[in-house]
Amino acid sequence: GQSLEQPSEVTAVEGAIVQINCTYQTSGFYGLSWYQQHDGGAPTFLSYNALDGLEETGRFSSFLSRSDSYGYLLLQELQMKDSASYFCAVRGEYNQGGKLIFGQGTELSVKP
Amino acid sequence: DGGITQSPKYLFRKEGQNVTLSCEQNLNHDAMYWYRQDPGQGLRLIYYSQIVNDFQKGDIAEGYSVSREKKESFPLTVTSAQKNPTAFYLCASSISVTGVFETQYFGPGTRLLVL
Repeated sequence: GQSLEQPSEVTAVEGAIVQINCTYQTSGFYGLSWYQQHDGGAPTFLSYNALDGLEETGRFSSFLSRSDSYGYLLLQELQMKDSASYFCAVRGEYNQGGKLIFGQGTELSVKP
Repeated sequence: DGGITQSPKYLFRKEGQNVTLSCEQNLNHDAMYWYRQDPGQGLRLIYYSQIVNDFQKGDIAEGYSVSREKKESFPLTVTSAQKNPTAFYLCASSISVTGVFETQYFGPGTRLLVL
């Protein structure tokens, strides 16, 4: 089967840096994605890693280590609007179309 | 503007009643998905469709049914067999399923409550 683990909640202060970890178990691996969801809203895509290393998109970066089945999302210069839930996700088996398996989500609270 | 719309925003179901949630996209995407989200939980896949007139069960399909008669539409019916339907329902779409990676685009969601 496939499963992902991430911390349930993280708290940080405005302007700080926070890292949200994700470990996964999959029989086949096709990359790790990250989505952001504000309370009551729709998830939106943040980043995707297929290969080892760091991908940077503005204040957000995402890292992957396939040998460790581990990735993280790094948020820099935190702003109050970054308070949201963050989900890591892996693709299902290749014959299952674009199916995504999501982690339980990490609720990030940014304090003044 | 291109996007995914879901209606209604809130839906109330009585015991023993079937209700249908609408999902429409004008992104010309081939693949569409339905997820269920419970408070403080991740998204669980109910059904997905890779092409018109074809769909597959996800991880929690029991008590739900779908149809895909048009590329842009993927309605979800919550049947009376679903004993715990109260949840936030999210519809998503992606360009195709042929690539290794496809971003999924989500609609605003429908919150279903049982009376």
